[in-house]
Order: sequence, then structure tokens, then C-alpha cells
Amino acid sequence: AQTVTQSQPEMSVQEAETVTLSCTYDTSESDYYLFWYKQPPSRQMILVIRQEAYKQQNATENRFSVNFQKAAKSFSLKISDSQLGDAAMYFCACKKTSYDKVIFGPGTSLSVIP
Amino acid sequence: SQTIHQWPATLVQPVGSPLSLECTVEGTSNPNLYWYRQAAGRGLQLLFYSVGIGQISSEVPQNLSASRPQDRQFILSSKKLLLSDSGFYLCAWSRDSSSTDTQYFGPGTRLTVL
Repeated sequence: AQTVTQSQPEMSVQEAETVTLSCTYDTSESDYYLFWYKQPPSRQMILVIRQEAYKQQNATENRFSVNFQKAAKSFSLKISDSQLGDAAMYFCACKKTSYDKVIFGPGTSLSVIP
Repeated sequence: SQTIHQWPATLVQPVGSPLSLECTVEGTSNPNLYWYRQAAGRGLQLLFYSVGIGQISSEVPQNLSASRPQDRQFILSSKKLLLSDSGFYLCAWSRDSSSTDTQYFGPGTRLTVL
């Protein structure tokens, strides 16, 4: 069975600084997708970034980038130039390509300090 | 573009009362549909998913049921609510199983059972 672990229940970052959120996963699949979702206080789940496991190049979306280490089964999220609006819960998730079920990690609560 | 709606946004119900939460998707056809529950301070738990009209798969045996009467409508129900049913319910959609696309979430329903 797939599992997703986020070892940091809470993190904080100074505004304009950079923060990295950790995620590890366990899957027996050779091909899969990885995601980071953001859940602000409104509780709407918003897709931040996604990575295809067969791609070696790390995905980037503006200030958000990932460090995907397939052998280590690690998928960390880096947020550069942190803004107050980045304060939210961040969920790491994994999905097998052969089946559409997504497994979510427990989440990391990120605070941004002005 | 595709949009996903959920209602009601908030709901307070007494123990033992029935429940009906609705989710609809616009701008796509034959989506995969999902119901998740998020307890306070916790990650997401997949409750049900559907790959087509009348096709429902249950992930966790419990007090809830789901139905898909129309292609883009997904309903979460209960005949008698329990206190433990309180939580934040999220509906999500993705393109059909032939694709490995991302899940997109609705705004959620906050359910409080008293």
C-alpha cells in the first residue's frame, strides 16, 4: 500500500525568505504522480505543483519548486520569497498512474511571519 | 473551464438526523468524482469514488453512503448522523481513468453534528 509521510507538523518562515517542506512516500509502483496541495484558512484545496515520477527534471511553478529524489522516495517543496498569502496547510500526495486513487500525507502547517 | 460546486457550505445537524451533501461539476463530461472527509487538524480520508453514473466504490465502511444519479452530480448521504460524522467534507473531480490527471477540489462543506 502507498503511504505518504510529512514529518514536520508545523513550520514557520520569515516573509521574503525561503522555506522547504519535507515529504517522503512509499510505493511499489515504478510510475506515479506526486502533488503538493495548499489549504488556506478558507479550506479550499488548491493544487500547487505536480511531478511525474518518470521525469527527472524537478517541477517548478513560479516561486514554488520541488526537489524530487526518486531513489530516496523524497519529494520536498521549496517556497521562495515567502509571502503572507502562503500561510496554509500543505499536503503532499501520491497517485498511481494505473489507478486514480490519491493518498495524502497528514499535512504541514506553514506560518509566515511578517 | 471546469468548476466544481458544493452545498451547503456549512451545516449543523442533530445526532440521528439525515444528511445530504451535494457536489456538481461543470465544464466536463464523465469525470471521476470523489468524496473526502477531513477531521479537524487532520489529513484527508477518501470516503467514496465514482467512475460513472451509478458506479460507487466505498473506501471506508461507515455510516455514510454515496450516489451518482447524474454524470456530473455526486451526493453524500446518511440516514442517521453520528457525532463522529462531524468534519469538513470535500468533493473532488478528475478526468476519466484513461488519463492520469490531477484531482481538483470543491470549496467543501463544514458539517457539525450536535
